[in-house]
Amino acid sequence: KQEVTQIPAALSVPEGENLVLNCSFTDSAIYNLQWFRQDPGKGLTSLLLIQSSQREQTSGRLNASLDKSSGRSTLYIAASQPGDSATYLCAVRREYGNKLVFGAGTILRVKS
Amino acid sequence: DAGVIQSPRHEVTEMGQEVTLRCKPISGHNSLFWYRQTMMRGLELLIYFNNNVPIDDSGMPEDRFSAKMPNASFSTLKIQPSEPRDSAVYFCASRMDRDQPQHFGDGTRLSIL
Repeated sequence: KQEVTQIPAALSVPEGENLVLNCSFTDSAIYNLQWFRQDPGKGLTSLLLIQSSQREQTSGRLNASLDKSSGRSTLYIAASQPGDSATYLCAVRREYGNKLVFGAGTILRVKS
Repeated sequence: DAGVIQSPRHEVTEMGQEVTLRCKPISGHNSLFWYRQTMMRGLELLIYFNNNVPIDDSGMPEDRFSAKMPNASFSTLKIQPSEPRDSAVYFCASRMDRDQPQHFGDGTRLSIL
């Protein structure tokens, strides 16, 4: 059974800091991995999707890496801003099937 | 572009009542997913459809839950009869194809009294 763990559960940083969010998964037989952000009272917004054959994806100040063999992914946020404050969720999709298994999320607060 | 549209945004009802949640996926997307989010269990997949056909409903908690997708632009999730433990935020998501990300609606916050 695939299990996804995110560390830390919560993080508070001053504006301008670079930060790393961690995601680990127990079954390396994945099709892809997706990072989302969720704002209070809102749905999930897809940030980055990494296919199992890829090592990383970048979008603006965000960079996500994937090490499939070790069951790890990181989301790097450069020069954090108060607007980055949200819950960040990692989800993996198994090689066979369409089900996404989500981690519990990291609550990020960027202080101005 | 219109995203995934869910209605209602909030629903408060008494236990035993029937609840119907609605979802309009993004036009052109051929997969639709229903999720439930709670503090205790996080985000859980309830059911997903591919080309309007239910593919995997193993996440549906029990027979009180049912989902339909009569056409490519509309889906419903029904709970009958509802119970207080069904209180949660229910999300609908759609996807264009298997290599594309899922796009989520803003959810329906359901409270069963």
